Amino acid sequence: NAGVTQTPKFQVLKTGQSMTLQCAQDMNHNSMYWYRQDPGMGLRLIYYSASEGTTDKGEVPNGYNVSRLNKREFSLRLESAAPSQTSVYFCASRGGITYEQYFGPGTRLTVT
Amino acid sequence: GDSVTQMEGPVTLSEEAFLTINCTYTATGYPSLFWYVQYPGEGLQLLLKATKADDKGSNKGFEATYRKETTSFHLEKGSVQVSDSAVYFCALRSGNQFYFGTGTSLTVIP
Repeated sequence: NAGVTQTPKFQVLKTGQSMTLQCAQDMNHNSMYWYRQDPGMGLRLIYYSASEGTTDKGEVPNGYNVSRLNKREFSLRLESAAPSQTSVYFCASRGGITYEQYFGPGTRLTVT
Repeated sequence: GDSVTQMEGPVTLSEEAFLTINCTYTATGYPSLFWYVQYPGEGLQLLLKATKADDKGSNKGFEATYRKETTSFHLEKGSVQVSDSAVYFCALRSGNQFYFGTGTSLTVIP
């Protein structure tokens, strides 16, 4: 039981490049989330998916797109990376009545 | 909108000292409240939770009580250890969304 996995762990991009961050969970959870973590700002929600086939914007969605590929997988895409997107990105999932989130190990992204 | 405010850090304590990290929240309705812990280089892990007023969450010697009258969920531990050094986040759940505080870094020195 791996929980929530994220790939890659580290990535360096040049301004304007695109990339997709992958997230998968094996806990049969309905809800999945993408956050970014910046110093002094805690975690900010980018997008979430309450169930397979649905996605909704969070607090900071600009510059990102998401795909809920199936119940297990939820990817985050940066179409044209900017230095302001340098951050640590966390994926999380949430099961039914337990309400807490389970987090992946994170992806550290640097945009130069 | 919903939000969480937690005590600024960093906090440095000696081993066996008493720990309090303050957390207050603003929310409509009756949110669930959480404390998460993040060790260096890792994702967040749930430390404890409370789902209704007056509930006390506890785990690994840490405790927090959901106080509706003061909209607070302060984290306490009676005797901290070096292994408790980490960043602690207070959070609330409102509907499908979670709102996190900015985190409080704790360092415990021997």
